[in-house]
Amino acid sequence: DSGVTQTPKHLITATGQRVTLRCSPRSGDLSVYWYQQSLDQGLQFLIQYYNGEERAKGNILERFSAQQFPDLHSELNLSSLELGDSALYFCASSQPNPMIFGPGTRLTVL
Amino acid sequence: QKEVEQDPGPLSVPEGAIVSLNCTYSNSAFQYFMWYRQYSRKGPELLMYTYSSGNKEDGRFTAQVDKSSKYISLFIRDSQPSDSATYLCAMSAFLSGGTSYGKLTFGQGTILTVHP
Repeated sequence: DSGVTQTPKHLITATGQRVTLRCSPRSGDLSVYWYQQSLDQGLQFLIQYYNGEERAKGNILERFSAQQFPDLHSELNLSSLELGDSALYFCASSQPNPMIFGPGTRLTVL
Repeated sequence: QKEVEQDPGPLSVPEGAIVSLNCTYSNSAFQYFMWYRQYSRKGPELLMYTYSSGNKEDGRFTAQVDKSSKYISLFIRDSQPSDSATYLCAMSAFLSGGTSYGKLTFGQGTILTVHP
């Protein structure tokens, strides 16, 4: 157990729908990151929050959004889902500690 | 050109072999270097964490960083079947107090199989 928790573990939904992925960082970590991992791609950085503020943005689609709440948990919202959004979504936390990852949410869009 | 290049393999070795995994990078701002191990699409697990050039050893694992060549390596001694996984190198630009950059840039990962 890395200390980073993610829910749900698996999500199956249909195209056009909207889902929310949830992440709780390791105790003491202030930064939360979201990464996407598809079968044909490596780990792609989506977005970083530090203590509630957006700090860095990667290749995150406009249909995707995220936020970090005062208790430091984070949510990643994916809307107007497409087949190509099927992937593993990992949350990671760091600062002051080195980055560690949660177990991931496997999203399947049918 | 990708910022971080890693040979995807696959790499297959017999049990007990020494394994060498490598990454090259182009961004000279990278200062923090990590190696992660990922089993069957589980969450990546942090193996080694190094700063700047030099060697770091932890049990059967040794991480090397050569910033002048922009080249990092992970060596696994006495490899075991349980080491079979995908190994990901990762690096970040800097960490400074509460305003760190922080995000990691990953290599594609090398698939390693250690057969008995």
